[in-house]
Formats: sequence, structure tokens, C-alpha cells
Amino acid sequence: SAVISQKPSRDICQRGTSLTIQCQVDSQVTMMFWYRQQPGQSLTLIATANQGSEATYESGFVIDKFPISRPNLTFSTLTVSNMSPEDSSIYLCSVGGGLNQPQHFGDGTRLSIL
Amino acid sequence: GNSVTQMEGPVTLSEEAFLTINCTYTATGYPSLFWYVQYPGEGLQLLLKATKADDKGSNKGFEATYRKETTSFHLEKGSVQVSDSAVYFCALSDNAGNNRKLIWGLGTSLAVNP
Repeated sequence: SAVISQKPSRDICQRGTSLTIQCQVDSQVTMMFWYRQQPGQSLTLIATANQGSEATYESGFVIDKFPISRPNLTFSTLTVSNMSPEDSSIYLCSVGGGLNQPQHFGDGTRLSIL
Repeated sequence: GNSVTQMEGPVTLSEEAFLTINCTYTATGYPSLFWYVQYPGEGLQLLLKATKADDKGSNKGFEATYRKETTSFHLEKGSVQVSDSAVYFCALSDNAGNNRKLIWGLGTSLAVNP
């Protein structure tokens, strides 16, 4: 399976600032996914990012708050904009999810907003 | 719509005890089913999968059988170890069209005591 590297692994940020999370894959993939996992909760899909097209956002998530870039088939970024304490979560990227195939995850970015 | 219902935790067991974590699903068509594990401070790892009825997924002593008649995919292990302490997530992929989103259960926390 693909090896997925996320940076940073954790950060502590001030409210009102923005943070960009990077996701690098060791092979070319069509679909990349960005998730949020709030403390003690399950995963919530933020958006699906396909190379060469705009990301598709899930209900409750908007591009102004979570802009995503997908410049090539091995890389994507998620920006968490104008952060508030409610954005304190683990943010995870994943790849895969073809027919009958699982998604594979990076180790996540643990984000705390003060 | 599709959904996954997982047994609520936390589950606390002694080492070498038998483990069952229940997972049932609602889906149209023929979903693929997955169990993921999240160890403390880490991202999600695929534990096992099953892609059609009566398939049995297995890995690291864990097993789960895809039961279409009961719409279930219960996770079992005959003898748990302290190192199995983690959060376990059941998920399904509906395999419909090009949208390979995963539907997640809420997760079940397992603590194994020596």
C-alpha cells in the first residue's frame, strides 16, 4: 500500500491564524481525501481532492474555511483558515478507495488552537 | 442512506480474554466492509477487509465475517493482548459509481489490562 506522509505532525496555533497541512504520497493516486477527527470522535470527511479539478466538499465544510490544493498526483494541501478553538482536531489525509479497495491513511496532524 | 452502527465502548478486558466488537450496517447494493485500528497517538491502519458476502477478513489474530443475512461484520479475537489497546472503527464503502467515500462507525475504544 502507499506510504503517506503528513506534515506537520502536530502544531499549536493562535486563534485567527491559518495553518497549511501537507500530504505527500510515494506513488501517484487519483483520489485523496481529507478528514477531521474531533477529540474522542469518529472521522468526518471534509472533502475529496482529485488532481486537476476543484475539491468536492461535504456538507458543513466550505472552501473559504478549508481551501485545498491538489497540484499533482502525489501531493495535496489542506489549509485551516481563521482558526478558532473549535478547529482543534486531528486532520488526516487518505488515498485509495478504488472498487473494493480500502483507503490508507497518513499519521495525521494534531492541531490545537489556543 | 448507508450507515454503520458500532457497539459503544469503552470495552475493558483482561489479557487473553475473548473479544467481540459488534458492527452492523445499512447499505444498498454490495458494499465492501473494513475494520480500522487507531493506536494511541497514531493515524488509522487498515486491520482487515471483506468485499462480498461470507468473506472472512483476518489479520493479527483478528477476524470478521461479512454476513449479508444479518448485515453484520463483527470483529473477534480469541485472546487479546495489552498491545491491542486501541480504538477500532468499522467502515463501509458502497462501491457505487465513482464515489468511494467511506461511511464510518463511531469507534469502539478497547483497553486490555495485564
